[in-house]
Amino acid sequence: GEDVEQSLFLSVREGDSSVINCTYTDSSSTYLYWYKQEPGAGLQLLTYIFSNMDMKQDQRLTVLLNKKDKHLSLRIADTQTGDSAIYFCAENINKLIFGAGTRLAVHP
Amino acid sequence: NAGVMQNPRHLVRRRGQEARLRCSPMKGHSHVYWYRQLPEEGLKFMVYLQKENIIDESGMPKERFSAEFPKEGPSILRIQQVVRGDSAAYFCASSPREEANSPLHFGNGTRLTVT
Repeated sequence: GEDVEQSLFLSVREGDSSVINCTYTDSSSTYLYWYKQEPGAGLQLLTYIFSNMDMKQDQRLTVLLNKKDKHLSLRIADTQTGDSAIYFCAENINKLIFGAGTRLAVHP
Repeated sequence: NAGVMQNPRHLVRRRGQEARLRCSPMKGHSHVYWYRQLPEEGLKFMVYLQKENIIDESGMPKERFSAEFPKEGPSILRIQQVVRGDSAAYFCASSPREEANSPLHFGNGTRLTVT
């Protein structure tokens, strides 16, 4: 079945690292995605990882994929107030299936 | 290269009226997807279209909702006889091809309010 799950909230202090977790169900997903949504805006593609990779790093973002456990995580290093947003994980099985989103709050 | 353009940004309709939401994909993109986001929820897939074809409408309600992507012009999502439960943000996304590795580029959405 199609189901992507994420924790709903995460609160971190500015400068700390944030880790947002996601589990998915379909092992046939070839790519997994992270999108960011700021208030009143659409979804911005942050990064994506091919299913035969374990890790992908892009500046402050690190994506880890555990295909055996169907677990995906997004780590944001040196989190800033501008990182406050909702982060969506998505798997691609002919169409993107999204999780409910993790609301990241960054406080001073 | 302009991104995915949706209009209007905000749309207010009374119960029973029709809502028409428009989406112009990115230049060179021939695949369009519509998603609905209810307040405080994630995005739910509605429909996937290519030019003049509906490829997957498994997420579309069976009644009152329709979508098209004509040969010329934007994709249209049409909701007839709107009800309060249709109030949501409707997002359009486009991609250049059908392959599974093609990320979707989203517009800023149309926020529909039914009064």
